[in-house]
Amino acid sequence: DAKTTQPTSMDCAEGRAANLPCNHSTISGNEYVYWYRQIHSQGPQYIIHGLKNNETNEMASLIITEDRKSSTLILPHATLRDTVVYYCIVGGAGNMLTFGGGTRLMVKP
Amino acid sequence: NAGVMQNPRHLVRRRGQEARLRCSPMKGHSHVYWYRQLPEEGLKFMVYLQKENIIDESGMPKERFSAEFPKEGPSILRIQQVVRGDSAAYFCASSPSRAALNEKLFFGSGTQLSVL
Repeated sequence: DAKTTQPTSMDCAEGRAANLPCNHSTISGNEYVYWYRQIHSQGPQYIIHGLKNNETNEMASLIITEDRKSSTLILPHATLRDTVVYYCIVGGAGNMLTFGGGTRLMVKP
Repeated sequence: NAGVMQNPRHLVRRRGQEARLRCSPMKGHSHVYWYRQLPEEGLKFMVYLQKENIIDESGMPKERFSAEFPKEGPSILRIQQVVRGDSAAYFCASSPSRAALNEKLFFGSGTQLSVL
């Protein structure tokens, strides 16, 4: 079973930042937080991951709370192409990255 | 550098037939993972393999399903005597080392299995 909780869906205006929350209150000390996105009928695509510190790459930023019980994926300038499903998952040694239901982001013009 | 290759892209089988799904990992990757996705649901882990070894099959149904990753050739997910409930998208992923230890997964485009 998924170890994360995400809203089923979210709306965002095109060009604005999209902030996708994720709760992982049972995360263990050695588990990473990963974010993937999935375009309909395609395989998930890696976005970003982190352990404790905030992370940024060319796709997004990841903000992890100090207690590590929640995190936020930030898409700085959402486009219509970002209208896909986003999965937040936790993983560590022995955990095969179980995916939950994810958040369906709707970017509106 | 080709990504994870899965074939066929679509597979149609009648109840009772066998389905064979193939996955070629990215070059240099020796770890393969199979996931199943039912419509409108998330991905469910099935099995994790390294070359010639099954490392974790905790997500595999106990009957009719098997997986292998031989020394040469692609990884195969085999479903015997398919039933309608097996209809789903099956995704393969690979990684250069053990995933979830600060390592990301690279996914293929999946095989959509339809059982008539």
